[in-house]
Amino acid sequence: GNSVTQMEGPVTLSEEAFLTINCTYTATGYPSLFWYVQYPGEGLQLLLKATKADDKGSNKGFEATYRKETTSFHLEKGSVQVSDSAVYFCALSYSSASKIIFGSGTRLSIRP
Amino acid sequence: GAVVSQHPSRVICKSGTSVKIECRSLDFQATTMFWYRQFPKQSLMLMATSNEGSKATYEQGVEKDKFLINHASLTLSTLTVTSAHPEDSSFYICSARAGQNSNQPQHFGDGTRLSIL
Repeated sequence: GNSVTQMEGPVTLSEEAFLTINCTYTATGYPSLFWYVQYPGEGLQLLLKATKADDKGSNKGFEATYRKETTSFHLEKGSVQVSDSAVYFCALSYSSASKIIFGSGTRLSIRP
Repeated sequence: GAVVSQHPSRVICKSGTSVKIECRSLDFQATTMFWYRQFPKQSLMLMATSNEGSKATYEQGVEKDKFLINHASLTLSTLTVTSAHPEDSSFYICSARAGQNSNQPQHFGDGTRLSIL
């Protein structure tokens, strides 16, 4: 079946460090891929998305590229800030269905 | 941006009681609402999809008589956990979407942490 696997946390980095959170997926066809972020005490928010192979989603300095050949959608940011501390969820869905399949989430903590 | 309010944020109750969780879309009409469940350190798992005015569609393995969903208006859906037991303790999250088109984004509530003693 369809699934999303992302690196386990917690991930702890110093401010201005480079961030990578790995995400791979198992799916048939061509799903859309997403990264959601959940800040402390808040709901999930869509961070970025990509709808087809080789697309790059970007937002707030974060980027992720839809890699069909490696079935990956790794999240990257060149210089993290304390305010980026949150839980990040990789997810997929199909345009013909409403279900979103989430990864288990990765908790990111940034030290000043 | 679109806001979805979920209430209560946390509830602790005794085994055998029923618990109702509300999900409201505050600034848009939610044709479709979703209920998810998240166990510690695990993924959000879709429990059911509800469309306003019709019966909810439950995912495989989710007991519809245990988890009652009502989507009576375009701004409110409720999840009632009936005769709750400790194994029902979890984090429940709702989301809402403005239209039937799955390309519309889902807006999430802040979640409800349910603890059954």
